[in-house]
Amino acid sequence: AQTVTQSQPEMSVQEAETVTLSCTYDTSESNYYLFWYKQPPSRQMILVIRQEAYKQQNATENRFSVNFQKAAKSFSLKISDSQLGDTAMYFCAFMKDAMEYGNKLVFGAGTILRVKS
Amino acid sequence: GAGVSQSPRYKVAKRGQDVALRCDPISGHVSLFWYQQALGQGPEFLTYFQNEAQLDKSGLPSDRFFAERPEGSVSTLKIQRTQQEDSAVYLCASSPGYSGGNTGELFFGEGSRLTVL
Repeated sequence: AQTVTQSQPEMSVQEAETVTLSCTYDTSESNYYLFWYKQPPSRQMILVIRQEAYKQQNATENRFSVNFQKAAKSFSLKISDSQLGDTAMYFCAFMKDAMEYGNKLVFGAGTILRVKS
Repeated sequence: GAGVSQSPRYKVAKRGQDVALRCDPISGHVSLFWYQQALGQGPEFLTYFQNEAQLDKSGLPSDRFFAERPEGSVSTLKIQRTQQEDSAVYLCASSPGYSGGNTGELFFGEGSRLTVL
C-alpha cells in the first residue's frame, strides 16, 4: 500500500517571500503520479500542480514549482512570491496510474500554510 | 453550475438517525469518488463509481455506509444509524475518466459536513 507523509503540520510565511512544503511517500510502483492540492478554508479542494513520475523535469505552474526526487521518494512544493490568497491547507497526494479508471488518490495529512501581511 | 455540487453543505444528526448526502458531478464525468475527511486530516477514500457501476467500495468503514449512482450521474452516500465517529466532511470528486487524455486530476465539491450528536 502507498503512504504519503507530510511532516509539517503548520507553516507561515511573509507575503512576497518563498516557502517550501515537504512531502515524502512510499511505494513499490515504478510509474505513478504526484499531486499538490490546495484546500482554502470552507472552500473546495483544487489542483495546484501535478508530476508524472516518469518525467525527470520538475513541474512548474506560475509561482508554484516542485522538487521531485524519485530515488528519495520526496516531492516538495515551492511557492514563490507568496500571496494572502495562498493561505490554505495543502495536501500532497499519490495516484498509482492516472491512465486507468478508478485509481484513487492517497492523501497526506496536510500542511496548513498561513501567509502573513 | 459547471462544478461538482454537494448537498446539504451542513447536516446535524442525532446518534442513530439515517442521513443521505448527495453529489452532482460535472456533466459527462465517468468517474466519481467519495472521500471522508476528519477534522484536521487528509481525505480518506470511501468508494468509487465508473458510470453506474460501483467498482471499489473497499474504504467504506462499515455496512452502515452505502453509496449508489443509479443512472451514472448523481450519487448518494447514505449512512444508517449514525454514530459520533461518523462526524466528518464527506467529499465527492469526479473526473472525466480515462479517455486517452486523463490527467488524473479530480474535481472536488465543497463537501458535506456531518455532525453527529
